[in-house]
Amino acid sequence: AQKITQTQPGMFVQEKEAVTLDCTYDTSDQSYGLFWYKQPSSGEMIFLIYQGSYDEQNATEGRYSLNFQKARKSANLVISASQLGDSAMYFCAMPLSGTSYGKLTFGQGTILTVHP
Amino acid sequence: EAGVAQSPRYKIIEKRQSVAFWCNPISGHATLYWYQQILGQGPKLLIQFQNNGVVDDSQLPKDRFSAERLKGVDSTLKIQPAKLEDSAVYLCASSLTRGHYNEQFFGPGTRLTVL
Repeated sequence: AQKITQTQPGMFVQEKEAVTLDCTYDTSDQSYGLFWYKQPSSGEMIFLIYQGSYDEQNATEGRYSLNFQKARKSANLVISASQLGDSAMYFCAMPLSGTSYGKLTFGQGTILTVHP
Repeated sequence: EAGVAQSPRYKIIEKRQSVAFWCNPISGHATLYWYQQILGQGPKLLIQFQNNGVVDDSQLPKDRFSAERLKGVDSTLKIQPAKLEDSAVYLCASSLTRGHYNEQFFGPGTRLTVL
């Protein structure tokens, strides 16, 4: 069964600095994807970035980038030049295969606090 | 394009009462998901629809929860009767179709408090 682990319950970063949020996963699939979502206090889940297991390059979307290390089964999110609005809960997620095709399994989440 | 709509945003009920949540997905999205998110945890899938058919409801407590997606568009999730442990945020999401590479778009959620 697939599993996502986020080991950092909370992270703090100074405004304008970079921060890395960790995510490790376990899957026996050869082809898979990984998503990162942001959940501000308003509750809505906002898609940030996607990495496919066969993508040759690490995904980037503006200030967000993925440090994808397939052999280590890690997909860490890097946020550059942190802003106060980045304070939120961040989730790593993986779609399941088999009969639950497409269903997302989420990690426990990391609360990021950006200090001015 | 309009996002996923959910209502109500907040609901407070007594245990053993009934409650219903409504979701309108993004136009053209065939797949609709209901997730339950307990405070401090990641969302957990309750049920997945493909058009108006149920694809996966393995984690839906069927003795008290029910869901339908009439005509393959809007969906309603019902809890009857509610228990204290049902207090959570209920998130609706939609995607173009099922798959590893299809981004799921989430609604704002309904925060349920059961007293």
